[in-house]
Amino acid sequence: QVQLVESGGGVVQPGRSLRLSCAASGFTFSTFAMHWVRQSPGKGLEWLAFIWHDGNNIYYADSVKGRFTISRDNSKNTLYLQMNSLRAEDTAMYYCARDLGKGRYFDYWGRGTPVTVSS
Amino acid sequence: DIQMTQSPSSVFASVGDRVTITCRASQGIGSLLAWYQQKPGKAPNLLIYSASSLQSGVPSRFSGSGSGRDFTLTISSLQPEDFATYFCQQANSFPRTFGQGTKLEIK
Repeated sequence: QVQLVESGGGVVQPGRSLRLSCAASGFTFSTFAMHWVRQSPGKGLEWLAFIWHDGNNIYYADSVKGRFTISRDNSKNTLYLQMNSLRAEDTAMYYCARDLGKGRYFDYWGRGTPVTVSS
Repeated sequence: DIQMTQSPSSVFASVGDRVTITCRASQGIGSLLAWYQQKPGKAPNLLIYSASSLQSGVPSRFSGSGSGRDFTLTISSLQPEDFATYFCQQANSFPRTFGQGTKLEIK
């Protein structure tokens, strides 16, 4: 069965960096586009980034553009989110999600990894 | 960015009730809309995509309709496991955006 397992979250000071990983199994990872989505009590669900199956098409939300980088290693069945210059407002639960098709919908989600940005 | 507005923000209902949740987009999005269910401490779960297509494994009591700017999610006969929060999401353009959620609570 499809499984997505996020890791790498934690408590970090403002301005610091963190790299999230999402290990995929149960499907052919290299043929699916992927997304990162976060959820915080104050801002609800917020889509962050999208990467095509081969990494050739990438989109970001304006709130993270220039600070966050989505990438993938298809040989390791793993999706990444490099988060730099973290801010208090980046505090949230971070989910990776598989794309249903054409970058439109999210058909499988991981359980999430929490990120807290605080001094 | 396309803004998604759900109503109501919360609704109280009983097992067996028929419930309708609405979602309005700030501009036309064709039929490019999804509905998700989220239970406390869990990730969202895709219910409906392309406004009215039922995701595999989702019970047929869930249905979606609408196009353009106005959409609805209907649960025909509430079951105990349906009490959760529901979100709509537009897929017409990047950034993908979600509604603020509708919490379905037991009356």
